[in-house]
Amino acid sequence: EDQVTQSPEALRLQEGESSSLNCSYTVSGLRGLFWYRQDPGKGPEFLFTLYSAGEEKEKERLKATLTKKESFLHITAPKPEDSATYLCAVQAPGSNYQLIWGAGTKLIIKP
Amino acid sequence: SQTIHQWPATLVQPVGSPLSLECTVEGTSNPNLYWYRQAAGRGLQLLFYSVGIGQISSEVPQNLSASRPQDRQFILSSKKLLLSDSGFYLCAWSRGGAYEQYFGPGTRLTVT
Repeated sequence: EDQVTQSPEALRLQEGESSSLNCSYTVSGLRGLFWYRQDPGKGPEFLFTLYSAGEEKEKERLKATLTKKESFLHITAPKPEDSATYLCAVQAPGSNYQLIWGAGTKLIIKP
Repeated sequence: SQTIHQWPATLVQPVGSPLSLECTVEGTSNPNLYWYRQAAGRGLQLLFYSVGIGQISSEVPQNLSASRPQDRQFILSSKKLLLSDSGFYLCAWSRGGAYEQYFGPGTRLTVT
C-alpha cells in the first residue's frame, strides 16, 4: 500500500539546536516529494519539491534531501519562528492530481 | 503573482443546515483546483478536484458536493450538514502539468 510516514510526531528543540525531520515513503516510481510548513489555523505553505534520489533544496535554515526510501528536512540553528507543523507528501502513482500525505511533525523551538 | 482566497474563515452551523464554502484564485488561468479536509493530527484528505469548468472528480463518497462555475472559482456545498462534517477545509490550486499545490487560508467548520 502506498504510504507516507513522518517521524517524530513532535519535536521540541532549544533555539539554535539543529535537528532533522524524517519522511519515509513506500510509493513505487516516485514522481515528486513535497514539503510544506503549516502554522496553526492556516493553510499549508509550500516549501520544496524533490524529484530524484540525491537531490537537495535549501531555503534559509531549511534543507531538504531525498533518498530512494525517505526524505529529510534538516533545520540548522532554528529560531522560535520556525515552530510549525511540517508536512510531507508524495505524488500518487498513476495520478496527476492526487498527493499522499503524511500526518506531519509538530516542531516547537523554545527560546 | 497568484493569490488564493477562501471564505468564510470560520463557520458554525447546526446539523441539517446547508453549506457553501467558496474559493477563488487570482493571477493564473485554467488552474487545477482541489478541496481538502484536515482532521486534527492527521494528514490531508482529498475530497474533490477539478481540471476545468464543470469538471469535478470525487475522491471520497460523502455528504458533500463541489462545483466549478467559473475558471477560477470552486465551491464546496452540502444540502444537510452532519456532525462528522466538522473540520478544517482547505482549497488548493496547481498549474496544469505541475504537481505542487498551493493552499488557501482554510475554513474552520463546526457543526453543532
